Amino acid sequence: GEDVEQSLFLSVREGDSSVINCTYTDSSSTYLYWYKQEPGAGLQLLTYIFSNMDMKQDQRLTVLLNKKDKHLSLRIADTQTGDSAIYFCAESYNAGNMLTFGGGTRLMVKP
Amino acid sequence: DTEVTQTPKHLVMGMTNKKSLKCEQHMGHRAMYWYKQKAKKPPELMFVYSYEKLSINESVPSRFSPECPNSSLLNLHLHALQPEDSALYLCASSQDTASPYEQYFGPGTRLTVT
Repeated sequence: GEDVEQSLFLSVREGDSSVINCTYTDSSSTYLYWYKQEPGAGLQLLTYIFSNMDMKQDQRLTVLLNKKDKHLSLRIADTQTGDSAIYFCAESYNAGNMLTFGGGTRLMVKP
Repeated sequence: DTEVTQTPKHLVMGMTNKKSLKCEQHMGHRAMYWYKQKAKKPPELMFVYSYEKLSINESVPSRFSPECPNSSLLNLHLHALQPEDSALYLCASSQDTASPYEQYFGPGTRLTVT
């Protein structure tokens, strides 16, 4: 079955760049997503990338996809304290639009 | 408008109670989802509705009963729950399920079963 993995924790200083990594096993993934979850809240869709793309940039966010290595990353430029949250990567690969989530990376931004 | 709303925000119920969670979206989406999220874990899919019909039930116990009265509303009826059912229940919607479309999540209902 499909499996999506993320490191548990990342700590950065305000103003630095953050890079959150994700690996997946299903080579038929078609869409890959990044969601942000603040404490006690739902999931906010940040960005997504088609599997035929290598990179997508959206303001402070850059998504890189290495399809050969099945590796996805989210770079947040000029990280702010408001970026502190849990970040989930997720893949969707089939009709039925079922998401498989990674375990989440907790980002802590220190002032 | 990419908003999915859920009520109530918090719910405490006893094991013999019957309660319902509600979810609403006005984006014209034809797919709606219920997820369960335990603390420090990713969301787990429970049910998928496509065009108001139940299309996926991820082997969820019958004490959870979903209902889709119309294309904008999704309910989750709860009866005889166990303390281990305490979790954040998230609703999501997407354009449909025929292709991978981004899912938009509501803020969740935090359920505590006593």
